[in-house]
Amino acid sequence: DAGVIQSPRHEVTEMGQEVTLRCKPISGHNSLFWYRQTMMRGLELLIYFNNNVPIDDSGMPEDRFSAKMPNASFSTLKIQPSEPRDSAVYFCASSSQDGYGYTFGSGTRLTVV
Amino acid sequence: KNEVEQSPQNLTAQEGEFITINCSYSVGISALHWLQQHPGGGIVSLFMLSSGKKKHGRLIATINIQEKHSSLHITASHPRDSAVYICAVAGSQGNLIFGKGTKLSVKP
Repeated sequence: DAGVIQSPRHEVTEMGQEVTLRCKPISGHNSLFWYRQTMMRGLELLIYFNNNVPIDDSGMPEDRFSAKMPNASFSTLKIQPSEPRDSAVYFCASSSQDGYGYTFGSGTRLTVV
Repeated sequence: KNEVEQSPQNLTAQEGEFITINCSYSVGISALHWLQQHPGGGIVSLFMLSSGKKKHGRLIATINIQEKHSSLHITASHPRDSAVYICAVAGSQGNLIFGKGTKLSVKP
């Protein structure tokens, strides 16, 4: 298994541009999580899905952030418009519904200039 | 007060030393995870615990549910163990709440 696959690995964009981060979870995993890591705040949950349904998006910073999971093998996190304070590493993780096999992707390092 | 507290924040050890990292939490959990992150690197799940003790190689993790406390031990530490170790507790839906991490540096 290739693990959780995130793309792109690095993204540099100008303030105001739309950014889309992508994630392919491990096949058979029912739960998918989007986390953000910054020096100031550490790791924070943004949103998670169970069986493709968003369960809790209370961690999404504001309306500029949106996430979708159209099927069991793909999820996107979109920021529109992006701002410099969105610069962070964004991790996607997946697990089985009982929490076993928790696996993180390699992350997307986003820089907004 | 943070829901997940780790100690120490930073730890420097000599190669071969026995290392302990502690984690206390204040919320109800379904499980506790110990994660490892190398500088600039990804996050690797070392253990998932809901009770007792688990061992993998030189790593041992224990949890005391009544006391809401977990420890991660590294025996015969090695410079390649240098990393940030993160304690995270899982809610009923699997979402994780993270501690701030312990930065471990093992000197040769």
